[in-house]
Amino acid sequence: GAVVSQHPSWVICKSGTSVKIECRSLDFQATTMFWYRQFPKQSLMLMATSNEGSKATYEQGVEKDKFLINHASLTLSTLTVTSAHPEDSSFYICSAVAGGFASPLHFGNGTRLTVT
Amino acid sequence: SQQGEEDPQALSIQEGENATMNCSYKTSINNLQWYRQNSGRGLVHLILIRSNEREKHSGRLRVTLDTSKKSSSLLITASRAADTASYFCATDGSFKTIFGAGTRLFVKA
Repeated sequence: GAVVSQHPSWVICKSGTSVKIECRSLDFQATTMFWYRQFPKQSLMLMATSNEGSKATYEQGVEKDKFLINHASLTLSTLTVTSAHPEDSSFYICSAVAGGFASPLHFGNGTRLTVT
Repeated sequence: SQQGEEDPQALSIQEGENATMNCSYKTSINNLQWYRQNSGRGLVHLILIRSNEREKHSGRLRVTLDTSKKSSSLLITASRAADTASYFCATDGSFKTIFGAGTRLFVKA
């Protein structure tokens, strides 16, 4: 149980275009999902907390107009990288909590974004 | 800044040996979790230890927690080549989970 599906697993786009990444909880409802960014051989950096039915909470230094998050239902959160630039190339991972706060996180398999 | 810091950054051992990874954190916690990440994939939850627990076992995994030293260790016994991955500790703080820098474990067959 507690499966999180993330799509696409990889995407290549040109500079200036926008890319949407989906994160779905398949067998549970997730009122809260998290979006992380990970650079090679580094840890996960929390970008934002996505709350169903309300605005996302962004971490300091993360541009909310650049990384648009929509949590329209209890099973789906999307991250849109707008006007992508090569420096946005990274590994993006979402996670969701099936229980209360401090319960284990369940992760998607990540999306490798390459901006050319 | 990240809550947890881990050492070593990288560890290379022979199959069958034990692997020990350490994690230190800065503020008080409710619990500490360990995750595993295979290259290019998402993280998989391994074990959770609560702040009032000192040791926990799960199969070949043994986790200890010393809240006085704000540190935890993950021991993998009888390692296998399939254990090759990055391992992260994670702590809860301000209603979000913060990950350490991770230890990259390589188990040679």
